[in-house]
Amino acid sequence: KAGVTQTPRYLIKTRGQQVTLSCSPISGHRSVSWYQQTPGQGLQFLFEYFSETQRNKGNFPGRFSGRQFSNSRSEMNVSTLELGDSALYLCASSLVGPSYEQYFGPGTRLTVT
Amino acid sequence: KNEVEQSPQNLTAQEGEFITINCSYSVGISALHWLQQHPGGGIVSLFMLSSGKKKHGRLIATINIQEKHSSLHITASHPRDSAVYICAGDDKIIFGKGTRLHILP
Repeated sequence: KAGVTQTPRYLIKTRGQQVTLSCSPISGHRSVSWYQQTPGQGLQFLFEYFSETQRNKGNFPGRFSGRQFSNSRSEMNVSTLELGDSALYLCASSLVGPSYEQYFGPGTRLTVT
Repeated sequence: KNEVEQSPQNLTAQEGEFITINCSYSVGISALHWLQQHPGGGIVSLFMLSSGKKKHGRLIATINIQEKHSSLHITASHPRDSAVYICAGDDKIIFGKGTRLHILP
């Protein structure tokens, strides 16, 4: 069974640009969660989607958005990038939700210059 | 003050030592998760606990919901246990800052 895949793995963007990150969950998993990880703040929850609906959202500005498609693949978008958005962005999938067995992808390393 | 506090932040030990990592939280949660992150970023879920104790191989996790405290123990530690260990509350919405463990051969 293929694991969670994230594309791209590395990305360099300039301040003010926007970026879209993609996450393909394990086949059959309907819940996809997104997290931001920085050296200073550690792991922080961004949002969780289940069957194309956002079920929960973390404390991030509206520049951070996401969506989930009917095949459970998910994308997150960050508009008007700031230097502080440089981070490792991780997605994780689960059959029913993040409280249950959850599998993490390798992450996308975003650098904003 | 962070809602989830982990201690110690960094830990270096010799191979074979018994390791304890602590997690205390100030908010009410019904379950706590322990995660392991190896260099390179990959995260693995180790345990989900709502009460008592769980064991998987050399790893043991305990939780006391009333005292809002959980511990992760590693018996007979090995260099391959070197990683960052992170505790997370409930639906993995709140996280500790992680404990960086380094086991020396």
